[in-house]
Amino acid sequence: AQSVAQPEDQVKVAEGNPLTVKCTYSVSGNPYLFWYVQYPNRGLQFLLKYITGDNLVKGSYGFEAEFNKSQTSFHLKKPSALVSDSALYFCAVRDPDYGGSQGNLIFGKGTKLSVKP
Amino acid sequence: NAGVTQTPKFQVLKTGQSMTLQCAQDMNHEYMSWYRQDPGMGLRLIHYSVGAGITDQGEVPNGYNVSRSTTEDFPLRLLSAAPSQTSVYFCASRPEAFLAVNQPQHFGDGTRLSIL
Repeated sequence: AQSVAQPEDQVKVAEGNPLTVKCTYSVSGNPYLFWYVQYPNRGLQFLLKYITGDNLVKGSYGFEAEFNKSQTSFHLKKPSALVSDSALYFCAVRDPDYGGSQGNLIFGKGTKLSVKP
Repeated sequence: NAGVTQTPKFQVLKTGQSMTLQCAQDMNHEYMSWYRQDPGMGLRLIHYSVGAGITDQGEVPNGYNVSRSTTEDFPLRLLSAAPSQTSVYFCASRPEAFLAVNQPQHFGDGTRLSIL
């Protein structure tokens, strides 16, 4: 079965420092990977995706993610964290076999990012 | 452009009551889905639809019914609410149903449901 794991429940960084939110995946074929962010009392917002091509993917709000096939990872990164980046972050993988060829998303459990001033 | 709209935003029910969570999108999206979000468990797929008149079960469908009579609307029904269904429910959509691996989903702001 295909799955995605976020090994850290919470990540704490100081404002201005780089941040990394980790994600690993398990798929049988080509991975289609996504990052979403959720602010309090809001729905999930799309940040970035990896489908194919360059291993470094750039997304919204200065975030980027590095796809590493050998380590089966897709870590979210930002060079300089802001207090406003504090939120819940979800990694997700699209699995064409999960519910049929529609490719429903499978989500990780989420990582709470706290950025301190 | 409103995107995905969910109503109500909050609801408290008693065990055994029924209710319908509404979801509407104005983007003419083919694919719509319902998730529930529970602490430490991420989002789990309840039901999804690939077009009007077509629905299917996701990972956790028990206790929930759906229908898709129009492209725009995808209501989720709880027939007999149970405390285990206390959760935050999200509706999401994307433009195409099939061959859409590169399409992100658009989410509503959720319905926070408590069942006593």
